[in-house]
Amino acid sequence: SSELTQDPAVSVALGQTVRITCQGDSLRIYYASWYQQKPGQAPVLVIYAKNNRPSGIPDRFSGSSSGNTASLTITGAQAEDEADYYCNSRDTSGHLSFGGGTKLTVL
Amino acid sequence: QLQLQESGPGLVKPSETLSLTCTVSGGSIISTTYYWGWIRQPPGKGLEWIGTIYYSGSTSYNPALESRVTIPVDTSKNQFSLRLSSVTAADTAVYYCARRGSSGPSSWYFDLWGRGTLVTVSS
Repeated sequence: SSELTQDPAVSVALGQTVRITCQGDSLRIYYASWYQQKPGQAPVLVIYAKNNRPSGIPDRFSGSSSGNTASLTITGAQAEDEADYYCNSRDTSGHLSFGGGTKLTVL
Repeated sequence: QLQLQESGPGLVKPSETLSLTCTVSGGSIISTTYYWGWIRQPPGKGLEWIGTIYYSGSTSYNPALESRVTIPVDTSKNQFSLRLSSVTAADTAVYYCARRGSSGPSSWYFDLWGRGTLVTVSS
């Protein structure tokens, strides 16, 4: 499986914009998907196919990609956005991998 | 709507085989659109992909676990399972089953997850 790297922790002031990044060679070819996980809960898909949101995900969540880096942006972060965020992608062998996760703190 | 539910023993002894089942309800596991997978999360740590199966039985496994993992599917019961052999304490984790969708070959993602089940490896 290819390796995906995320910053362990990021913080943002309430109402401000934050970008969470994910780096990996596979991201030059394949899109990342992004998951939000709150304590004691299963992960929830928030972004897929670069910048698509599943039904029910607020439009303050968006995704982008450049080179070997995928990004999840939260525009106008809310208190309920405080969570762990994971990126996920595939490689050329059809294997999947997750980034190590980023803990987002909303101040 | 479609739901996934993990089931199986919460405690497994070292060197034994961990066995879990994921039951798909509210829809069929037979789908040309979706694959089905297992992901685990050790306490306080990140997510790790274990493997994925298609309803026909075609599988893909994490190379780091491939020698110990089997994911069978039972379409008659609308279930797929996880078998992880020779477990150690390092296999203690919350195990999730999930549905894998795709937007073409460039984008794979897990769009539906079970609630997860904690499996502890201990004597």
